[in-house]
Amino acid sequence: GAVVSQHPSWVICKSGTSVKIECRSLDFQATTMFWYRQFPKQSLMLMATSNEGSKATYEQGVEKDKFLINHASLTLSTLTVTSAHPEDSSFYICSARTKLVPYEQYFGPGTRLTVT
Amino acid sequence: GQNIDQPTEMTATEGAIVQINCTYQTSGFNGLFWYQQHAGEAPTFLSYNVLDGLEEKGRFSSFLSRSKGYSYLLLKELQMKDSASYLCAPPGNSGYSTLTFGKGTMLLVSP
Repeated sequence: GAVVSQHPSWVICKSGTSVKIECRSLDFQATTMFWYRQFPKQSLMLMATSNEGSKATYEQGVEKDKFLINHASLTLSTLTVTSAHPEDSSFYICSARTKLVPYEQYFGPGTRLTVT
Repeated sequence: GQNIDQPTEMTATEGAIVQINCTYQTSGFNGLFWYQQHAGEAPTFLSYNVLDGLEEKGRFSSFLSRSKGYSYLLLKELQMKDSASYLCAPPGNSGYSTLTFGKGTMLLVSP
């Protein structure tokens, strides 16, 4: 149980284009989903927290107009990187939390984004 | 911030025991997490200590001292597959709602 999927697993896009990454909780309802970014040999940095049906809460320094997060249902959250630039190339990981086990986050497999 | 401090790298041999230390500062406390992350993969949950003391789970044990802001992860009977990054993660100031990850400790297990 508690499986989280991400799609796509990797994506290459051209500078200036937008990319959407999906995060799904497959066998549970995720009351809260988190989006992280990880650069090579760096720690996971929390970008934003989203609760179903409400606006995402962004961490300081994360541009909400550039990283659009939608948490439309209890099983799906999306992260759209708008007008991507090479410096946005990173490993994007989502995680989900359920009310049943509120302290644990279940991580998706991550999405490798490369912007050329 | 949480000022999380972990060793950057550690090496050990198969079958050995290794202890990965983590010190942190946090205001408002709701336990501490340890995650394992293999290269290019997402983190996987190892342990969550909410009280002081040692929690044992198979080959892995985790210790917490809240007053000292100190935790360690103990790995016994090391296997090659244990080569990974180990992330210490105290919850954020709003409790376990958010996690702050340190840079992690890269453990290399050799034959």
